[in-house]
Amino acid sequence: AQSVTQLDSHVSVSEGTPVLLRCNYSSSYSPSLFWYVQHPNKGLQLLLKYTSAATLVKGINGFEAEFKKSETSFHLTKPSAHMSDAAEYFCVVSGVGGSYIPTFGRGTSLIVHP
Amino acid sequence: DGGITQSPKYLFRKEGQNVTLSCEQNLNHDAMYWYRQDPGQGLRLIYYSQIVNDFQKGDIAEGYSVSREKKESFPLTVTSAQKNPTAFYLCASSPGLAGGDTQYFGPGTRLTVL
Repeated sequence: AQSVTQLDSHVSVSEGTPVLLRCNYSSSYSPSLFWYVQHPNKGLQLLLKYTSAATLVKGINGFEAEFKKSETSFHLTKPSAHMSDAAEYFCVVSGVGGSYIPTFGRGTSLIVHP
Repeated sequence: DGGITQSPKYLFRKEGQNVTLSCEQNLNHDAMYWYRQDPGQGLRLIYYSQIVNDFQKGDIAEGYSVSREKKESFPLTVTSAQKNPTAFYLCASSPGLAGGDTQYFGPGTRLTVL
């Protein structure tokens, strides 16, 4: 079985400060991990994904995430928040050799203050 | 332009009516998905399809039906048996059902029951 937990339902930062959105997963197999972003009333867009290559993954808009197998984590970071980063972020896991159906976290709402 | 289209963007339904949400993709993807999104609950899988003329129930299929007669089309019918259908509905597609495949999402349909 696979599952994913986003540890914060809301994260609030000031513009120009670092962003950290936390995600832990459980999977019986080598997982693929994704971060998607959703702006209000829009569909989801892929930020980045990990599929067993480099553990530090760089995505669009300056985001990156590090796969840590020992901690079963895949936290999303950005050095400096921009107002346009305010959105809902979803961590997703799917299994290689296990369940191929993606499992979504409940989402983290990122609030960026001027 | 390649992508996924959903229509209508907004849909209003009276109690007891069936309504059908459209989803079309021109990405030549084999797999397609329907998700329901409610505030604070992330995305929940309704149905998915790996190939034409085949589809599988997801976690919350009761009160919904789908068809996959063409590769590019995966319409969702919300039946009168769905007791609380007011939600944001998202359609997605992926090249296949492998663990590392990225999902591509449509812009969503917001359904409101009057």
